[in-house]
Amino acid sequence: GAVVSQHPSWVICKSGTSVKIECRSLDFQATTMFWYRQFPKQSLMLMATSNEGSKATYEQGVEKDKFLINHASLTLSTLTVTSAHPEDSSFYICSARDLRVSSYNEQFFGPGTRLTVL
Amino acid sequence: SQELEQSPQSLIVQEGKNLTINCTSSKTLYGLYWYKQKYGEGLIFLMMLQKGGEEKSHEKITAKLDEKKQQSSLHITASQPSHAGIYLCGAWRRYGQNFVFGPGTRLSVLP
Repeated sequence: GAVVSQHPSWVICKSGTSVKIECRSLDFQATTMFWYRQFPKQSLMLMATSNEGSKATYEQGVEKDKFLINHASLTLSTLTVTSAHPEDSSFYICSARDLRVSSYNEQFFGPGTRLTVL
Repeated sequence: SQELEQSPQSLIVQEGKNLTINCTSSKTLYGLYWYKQKYGEGLIFLMMLQKGGEEKSHEKITAKLDEKKQQSSLHITASQPSHAGIYLCGAWRRYGQNFVFGPGTRLSVLP
């Protein structure tokens, strides 16, 4: 089956620093990757959609200058939280799909990254 | 308001009991997904339902989709402590450009 990995699985950083989270599709190529955020005791909310080779599309209320997304290759997307603050502490999950070989409705989720900003 | 609503928000049952979780959409459903999540961990895909009236089962979990009512139900038979977790329903919107999740149902199973 399709496998998506995330790195790191958890990270603790000081307020004001930037943190990069990687999302990789291990055994398939991802034309699209999605980034979700989950605050404690809440559901997952889509932050942005990235298509390989193009700019990410951000959902309403998500600051594109704060959450930098790069999808430079068909197997890797990165989310950089710039100048992180405690309110950015959350669980970040990515998902990936390949529209060339499967229907739009098939996406595979990564295991998530827990970010804690002190 | 949420596009997907789930009920109940939380559920505590005794081991061996049956239970049902519901997911209702405010918009037409073109497919409905069920996931399970342990808090702070990744998602476990349970089932995908695409057709009205469709019903799928996996081990002791059965899910049904009622497109006319724009809702789905997830039924667990003879619950076990291993069933404990957060159950999330999800659906695609905007022709596959946006995936939305329900708020989740937190299930606890007492041994």
